[in-house]
Amino acid sequence: DSGVTQTPKHLITATGQRVTLRCSPRSGDLSVYWYQQSLDQGLQFLIQYYNGEERAKGNILERFSAQQFPDLHSELNLSSLELGDSALYFCASSVGGISGNTIYFGEGSWLTVV
Amino acid sequence: ELKVEQNPLFLSMQEGKNYTIYCNYSTTSDRLYWYRQDPGKSLESLFVLLSNGAVKQEGRLMASLDTKARLSTLHITAAVHDLSATYFCAVEPYFNTNAGKSTFGDGTTLTVKP
Repeated sequence: DSGVTQTPKHLITATGQRVTLRCSPRSGDLSVYWYQQSLDQGLQFLIQYYNGEERAKGNILERFSAQQFPDLHSELNLSSLELGDSALYFCASSVGGISGNTIYFGEGSWLTVV
Repeated sequence: ELKVEQNPLFLSMQEGKNYTIYCNYSTTSDRLYWYRQDPGKSLESLFVLLSNGAVKQEGRLMASLDTKARLSTLHITAAVHDLSATYFCAVEPYFNTNAGKSTFGDGTTLTVKP
């Protein structure tokens, strides 16, 4: 158990809908990361937040947005969903905001868009 | 655009043998990570390599980084069945505009046979 909690574990939704994935980082970790893993595109870094501020932005679509709240939990919002958004979404956390820290991953949220 | 290439993509080994997984990347980068993923599971951080010549070892796994050659290796010594998993490398620039944006390789699926 990494200490990173993600909900929901599984989610099935229809195209065009909007979903929110939630992540609680390990106690004491200030950085939260979001990643997408799919058969088509492999593992992709989406976005990083550090202590509430966006720190780095990767291949995150405009239909997707994220935020980190004052209690350090984070949400990833996916809207206008398409079939191709079906993937495993990982949240991860680390102590610091600069790179080079060990990153701890949650169990992931499986999203299926039908 | 940073490209990360792992090889081999699939590796079948006999127990007790040694082998090396290679991670090549296309542009100057300063941080390299190795992760392990068991089937249907999350990612586990194995190593963080922060500088040229860095070498880290944990059990039967040893990782090294040559930033001049843009190459990292993950060496497996005397493989055992428990090492069967998919191994990913990820490269992260530190100083330029892509700082913090990890790019992953496609992963190497390792199967260790008795």
